[in-house]
Amino acid sequence: AQSVTQLGSHVSVSEGALVLLRCNYSSSVPPYLFWYVQYPNQGLQLLLKYTSAATLVKGINGFEAEFKKSETSFHLTKPSAHMSDAAEYFCAVPGRGNNRLAFGKGNQVVVIP
Amino acid sequence: GAGVSQSPSNKVTEKGKDVELRCDPISGHTALYWYRQSLGQGLEFLIYFQGNSAPDKSGLPSDRFSAERTGGSVSTLTIQRTQQEDSAVYLCASSQAPSGSGANVLTFGAGSRLTVL
Repeated sequence: AQSVTQLGSHVSVSEGALVLLRCNYSSSVPPYLFWYVQYPNQGLQLLLKYTSAATLVKGINGFEAEFKKSETSFHLTKPSAHMSDAAEYFCAVPGRGNNRLAFGKGNQVVVIP
Repeated sequence: GAGVSQSPSNKVTEKGKDVELRCDPISGHTALYWYRQSLGQGLEFLIYFQGNSAPDKSGLPSDRFSAERTGGSVSTLTIQRTQQEDSAVYLCASSQAPSGSGANVLTFGAGSRLTVL
């Protein structure tokens, strides 16, 4: 079954600096890839979704992710971090039977003023 | 409803007690999922319901865990004889009828935080 790997559970970034969160998928090219964000005391919400229509995917709040088959990656970026970006970010891929999502372990982003 | 609603938002219980967690999905969403979120462990799939089909229970960690979905809507996750390792946030999500391609976007509730003393 497909899985995704996110390294570095905690990521600290200065306000105004680049946010880069890494996600690598296993084995075969997945038809879909997702990034979700979880703000404190809230459920997860969709940030963006890759559908193979375009390798560069733009999401909400200025985030984007680029699918790179050669690197089996789908890294999430934002050019300039804002304090409101402090949250936990999860990469996900369709799991077994395509009837669920398999999530990475998440990245807790801390924004330093 | 407008979103996925979960209750209680917080539950503290003593080891050995049974707990029930409730999920009210978005109206019209036929698929319902339960996940467990433990510190540093990401999201662990527990169970999946789709319409009137038999649920996919492959993620339930032990026979102390069970879930049901009545009338294709509200779902209850029950944990019997709770243990300290059951302490986690239990997240419910729903989606429209899955296409089988894995394209569906899940809408999550805010979760039920369970603490077992």
